[in-house]
Amino acid sequence: NAGVTQTPKFQVLKTGQSMTLQCAQDMNHEYMSWYRQDPGMGLRLIHYSVGAGITDQGEVPNGYNVSRSTTEDFPLRLLSAAPSQTSVYFCASSYSRQGRGNIQYFGAGTRLSVL
Amino acid sequence: KQEVTQIPAALSVPEGENLVLNCSFTDSAIYNLQWFRQDPGKGLTSLLLIQSSQREQTSGRLNASLDKSSGRSTLYIAASQPGDSATYLCAVGSGAGSYQLTFGKGTKLSVIP
Repeated sequence: NAGVTQTPKFQVLKTGQSMTLQCAQDMNHEYMSWYRQDPGMGLRLIHYSVGAGITDQGEVPNGYNVSRSTTEDFPLRLLSAAPSQTSVYFCASSYSRQGRGNIQYFGAGTRLSVL
Repeated sequence: KQEVTQIPAALSVPEGENLVLNCSFTDSAIYNLQWFRQDPGKGLTSLLLIQSSQREQTSGRLNASLDKSSGRSTLYIAASQPGDSATYLCAVGSGAGSYQLTFGKGTKLSVIP
């Protein structure tokens, strides 16, 4: 298993450009999520999905869109990039183990700079 | 709103020393608590997961405890090694199925040879 794969690893955008951060997992996990990590702020939840066709907002959803058409993929879209979206983005997936909670598996991250 | 605090923010110890990392949270209505390790420029690796009904979990030289009533967790690392140098993150699971994690800002550990 490759686990959770994020692409690209690095990206530089200009203000106002749009792009999609890709996330794919091959573990058949029903739950996937996106976090951003900023210095001094810790990781914050952007959006999450509990299964194909179901998404919901996390703590910091503004400026981001998601969709979940398949179990494997959970792309994060920036419609009009802003400098405030400069961050490291992590995708995570997890499954439910009966009575044992959810271990979350993280991708290696995408480092995004918006100029 | 759940808030997670980790103390200290940074810690430097000589190799071989036993150490404790602290994590506190404000809302005791949690499903679980996880400890993660993050190496520079890398993603997060789950170390230990403690369910709300459990008091502790152990994996090798690592032991994590949970006291829900006081809103505290500790990560104990025995006989520290230079390879343990990393940032350790505490995350509290809430929401249906405990999918949503609230993270602390982490403790950066340096183990000096």
